[in-house]
Amino acid sequence: DAKTTQPPSMDCAEGRAANLPCNHSTISGNEYVYWYRQIHSQGPQYIIHGLKNNETNEMASLIITEDRKSSTLILPHATLRDTAVYYCIVRVSGGGADGLTFGKGTHLIIQP
Amino acid sequence: GAGVSQSPRYKVAKRGQDVALRCDPISGHVSLFWYQQALGQGPEFLTYFQNEAQLDKSGLPSDRFFAERPEGSVSTLKIQRTQQEDSAVYLCASSPLRQTYTIYFGEGSWLTVV
Repeated sequence: DAKTTQPPSMDCAEGRAANLPCNHSTISGNEYVYWYRQIHSQGPQYIIHGLKNNETNEMASLIITEDRKSSTLILPHATLRDTAVYYCIVRVSGGGADGLTFGKGTHLIIQP
Repeated sequence: GAGVSQSPRYKVAKRGQDVALRCDPISGHVSLFWYQQALGQGPEFLTYFQNEAQLDKSGLPSDRFFAERPEGSVSTLKIQRTQQEDSAVYLCASSPLRQTYTIYFGEGSWLTVV
């Protein structure tokens, strides 16, 4: 799996949009971008994934650049409960044995 | 069940003691993963099962670590002769084989070796 680079920490004001960047300059054509988050004392939670098109679900939006070398996870209206470590992961999808390789992620702190 | 269930949630073991950690995956999920997460670090892959077959155990740190899934459902991670460096959160995750977009994690088993 390609490696990703994320800032170690970020702050965001409650109610504002939180934009979390991720660089994955060596991503392969068949690798997806996944985002997971881990709230303190809990297991990681799936947020969203994409290949090359922008994606949106009830939790977040994912913006992938045209060259696919970077992406941004957007939490449109951050709440205190969004404080967590956010992991950006690239992974080939379709193979059952292909798990997730986590880095250190970004610790997002939502300020009241 | 509704999600991946792990037990015990917390375990304190004396150094040298054997421990067994249990994982109940989501019903019908073919794939099962074990991860180890040290304090302040991201989860690290230990091993993978497809049904009862252990297809990848490349992440197991030593031969003291052993995992099984004999009937393709519940899995047990066993650690023999525990050492202090084994202190970590052990996460179990499962996913359907055909839909591998998301991997669902349990809450983890917190192991402290004293």
